[in-house]
Amino acid sequence: GENVEQHPSTLSVQEGDSAVIKCTYSDSASNYFPWYKQELGKRPQLIIDIRSNVGEKKDQRIAVTLNKTAKHFSLHITETQPEDSAVYFCAATTSGTYKYIFGTGTRLKVLA
Amino acid sequence: DTGVSQNPRHKITKRGQNVTFRCDPISEHNRLYWYRQTLGQGPEFLTYFQNEAQLEKSRLLSDRFSAERPKGSFSTLEIQRTEQGDSAMYLCASASGQGVYEQYFGPGTRLTVT
Repeated sequence: GENVEQHPSTLSVQEGDSAVIKCTYSDSASNYFPWYKQELGKRPQLIIDIRSNVGEKKDQRIAVTLNKTAKHFSLHITETQPEDSAVYFCAATTSGTYKYIFGTGTRLKVLA
Repeated sequence: DTGVSQNPRHKITKRGQNVTFRCDPISEHNRLYWYRQTLGQGPEFLTYFQNEAQLEKSRLLSDRFSAERPKGSFSTLEIQRTEQGDSAMYLCASASGQGVYEQYFGPGTRLTVT
């Protein structure tokens, strides 16, 4: 069935360093890949997304890359700040119902 | 606040009781989703509505679960005869139109079954 694997489950970085979170999806028909940030007790917030016809997308300190052949996509955060500390979820979806299949999440801690 | 809203935010119930949650999507969003999130896990898809039609249900949604969206606006999720394994955060999300992938999430309803 449809599956999204996410690694690592926890990640600690020093403030100012970069963080990379990786996801692998199983459904080759997947064509949209959002990343959500969820702070403790709050709703998931979309931070960046990428469609299957694009290999990379950047928004200030955040970038996402997609390798369709390998069915991998990754989130890159540069110059991390303490407020980047949260749980990050990747997801994949296809046309039709557009339901999201989420990864298991990465708890990012940025140490001051 | 024009975002997705959910009520109640917290619900504590005893095993065997029925509970109902409500989701109000962003107005004019015709697609509505329910997800369930347990501690340390990503949200899992439960069911999807386009307008008032329920178009897909996950096999996670047992016979004790039912969802409605009677007028294509707000939605309710009912759990009958709750079990301790139903304890989770229930998230609602909405999206607009065909070809639009972005989903906007509500704050969730945290259910605790004692």
